[in-house]
Amino acid sequence: QKEVEQNSGPLSVPEGAIASLNCTYSDRGSQSFFWYRQYSGKSPELIMFIYSNGDKEDGRFTAQLNKASQYVSLLIRDSQPSDSATYLCAVNWATSGTYKYIFGTGTRLKVLA
Amino acid sequence: GAGVSQSPRYKVAKRGQDVALRCDPISGHVSLFWYQQALGQGPEFLTYFQNEAQLDKSGLPSDRFFAERPEGSVSTLKIQRTQQEDSAVYLCASSPGQSYNSPLHFGNGTRLTVT
Repeated sequence: QKEVEQNSGPLSVPEGAIASLNCTYSDRGSQSFFWYRQYSGKSPELIMFIYSNGDKEDGRFTAQLNKASQYVSLLIRDSQPSDSATYLCAVNWATSGTYKYIFGTGTRLKVLA
Repeated sequence: GAGVSQSPRYKVAKRGQDVALRCDPISGHVSLFWYQQALGQGPEFLTYFQNEAQLDKSGLPSDRFFAERPEGSVSTLKIQRTQQEDSAVYLCASSPGQSYNSPLHFGNGTRLTVT
């Protein structure tokens, strides 16, 4: 059973702080990793993806990947109340001519004004 | 339209009724996925199409669930003899290619309530 684990939260941070969201995965064959943001009652929207070890930055967001530890994280700098949402980690791998994305349960982030 | 379109947005069905949920992916997107999302949970994989071929249906919870994409574009997820445990949001997502780093683009979902 391939699994993606996230702390469900809520994770509360003050406005302007750095929010750190973590995700672990069970399958060493996983090839790429995605972070989605989901507002209540809305569908997931892509924030960023990463597939090489190390850091990848996009504006206030940084994704970090450590394949040896099977760990991926998302840092949100200068957190804003509008960042309050559920953050979903998704892991993708290919097998036998097909591929699939497995999602974690999500971490609920609350940014306090 | 520019995004993935799903209809209806909301569906209320009495237990035992059949329902059909439609997904119109982004034009030209080869890959199409269906997910089920229960309240407070992450999306759970149901099935995957590459063009018109259904390559993976391992996530369909029972033989009451059936999906098709006959012309490699619009897809329909059908649930027969609905049960209360089928109540959830059904998300459709499409992706432009077949590579492992193609992100998914989600539709707005169909919220199914079985009474």
